[in-house]
Amino acid sequence: DQQVKQNSPSLSVQEGRISILNCDYTNSMFDYFLWYKKYPAEGPTFLISISSIKDKNEDGRFTVFLNKSAKHLSLHIVPSQPGDSAVYFCAARPKTSGTYKYIFGTGTRLKVLA
Amino acid sequence: KAGVTQTPRYLIKTRGQQVTLSCSPISGHRSVSWYQQTPGQGLQFLFEYFSETQRNKGNFPGRFSGRQFSNSRSEMNVSTLELGDSALYLCASERTPQETQYFGPGTRLLVL
Repeated sequence: DQQVKQNSPSLSVQEGRISILNCDYTNSMFDYFLWYKKYPAEGPTFLISISSIKDKNEDGRFTVFLNKSAKHLSLHIVPSQPGDSAVYFCAARPKTSGTYKYIFGTGTRLKVLA
Repeated sequence: KAGVTQTPRYLIKTRGQQVTLSCSPISGHRSVSWYQQTPGQGLQFLFEYFSETQRNKGNFPGRFSGRQFSNSRSEMNVSTLELGDSALYLCASERTPQETQYFGPGTRLLVL
């Protein structure tokens, strides 16, 4: 049962435009969400996070939006740069007492075209 | 501050063998989690250790085990390797279990 879903396996965007990566989740007990970026042959790198008490968090070119009623998370990258080309994973953490593991989506491969 | 380190980076084994992977967390981080990444499956949670105690375990068979030492370094062991165990094994550390995880570069295991 995939509790965190990234339905788009890949996305291509022109340099300078906005990249929007989406993530859906099914468990209403998730209280903390993160986005990671992964280059080949490297481990995932933390990008940005958001707590369930917020609906938006911004860090430079990266903004994460959380829509709790729709159980939907999105990452906006503006403007997109060729160096942003990587696989992006969203992850969620349940707030169930004693359970601290993160559940990851299957990733979206972003390609930013120069 | 040094990041999470994992050794070895690459490993080739044959079916039936066993393997031990090592992870050194960021200094001051006491929580270590392990994940398996295979194409199309994303990151699958294996287990989490905090202060030498296993706090969580994912849905993997008992052939997968781990431990954490008093200096927070962690090892995971896979016994009786199968072809399907070929994957990238990632280790992540956190200061405490409810903070942001930082990943190491991973160990790529190939089982022939």
